[in-house]
Amino acid sequence: KAGVTQTPRYLIKTRGQQVTLSCSPISGHRSVSWYQQTPGQGLQFLFEYFSETQRNKGNFPGRFSGRQFSNSRSEMNVSTLELGDSALYLCASSWLGTRDEQYFGPGTRLTVT
Amino acid sequence: AQSVTQPDIHITVSEGASLELRCNYSYGATPYLFWYVQSPGQGLQLLLKYFSGDTLVQGIKGFEAEFKRSQSSFNLRKPSVHWSDAAEYFCAVGAPGGGNKLTFGTGTQLKVEL
Repeated sequence: KAGVTQTPRYLIKTRGQQVTLSCSPISGHRSVSWYQQTPGQGLQFLFEYFSETQRNKGNFPGRFSGRQFSNSRSEMNVSTLELGDSALYLCASSWLGTRDEQYFGPGTRLTVT
Repeated sequence: AQSVTQPDIHITVSEGASLELRCNYSYGATPYLFWYVQSPGQGLQLLLKYFSGDTLVQGIKGFEAEFKRSQSSFNLRKPSVHWSDAAEYFCAVGAPGGGNKLTFGTGTQLKVEL
C-alpha cells in the first residue's frame, strides 16, 4: 500500500511569488491535514479537509489556502510569499477522524529567497 | 485552547539505558494524546496514542506511555534504548470530536551514545 506522497519535495521561490504544493493521501483515506514545521515555531496546524470540505483551520493568514479534490488529493497554496514562509510543509492523511491514525508524508521543503 | 509542553529540548542517553520523555498538556477535558517520532528528512510516524481507558498504552518499537490525569502528563518511556531510536520525538494533543487538528509540543531531540 503506497504511503502519503507529496510533490514537489523541494522548492525554491522568490518573495512575492505564489506556490502550490500537492499531497496524495493513502488510498481510501478521506481526511487530509496540512502542517507547517519551522525551527522557531515548531509544528503548526494549517487546515484539514474531509470529503472536499474544510473541517478545521489553524491560525494562519488568508495567504494560506487549500482545497481537496473528489479523489481526496489535496493542494495547498501560499500567495505573496514571505521569507518567514520558508518551512517544511507536511501533509497527513487518515481514514476518517481523530481516532484514526494519521499517516504523514515526507514533506515539501520550501525555501523563500 | 489546548497546548502541549515538552520541557526537555535535548536528551542524551547511553544505548541500553532507560528513557523517559516528558509531556504535559493543557486541555479542559480528557484529550486525545499522541507521541510521534521524526527521523531526519522524514515525516512523522505515530508511536502510540491514548483516547480513554487503560492509562498505560503500548506502542511500536517497544515504547509505552502513561496518562496521568492528576498531573496532566503523558510521558513516553522505553526500558532499553537502541542507537536507532535517535530522532526527534513529539507529543501532540487532539480534541475529541475535533477532527484531525493536532497541537504539537516543541519536540525533544534524542541522542543515543554508543
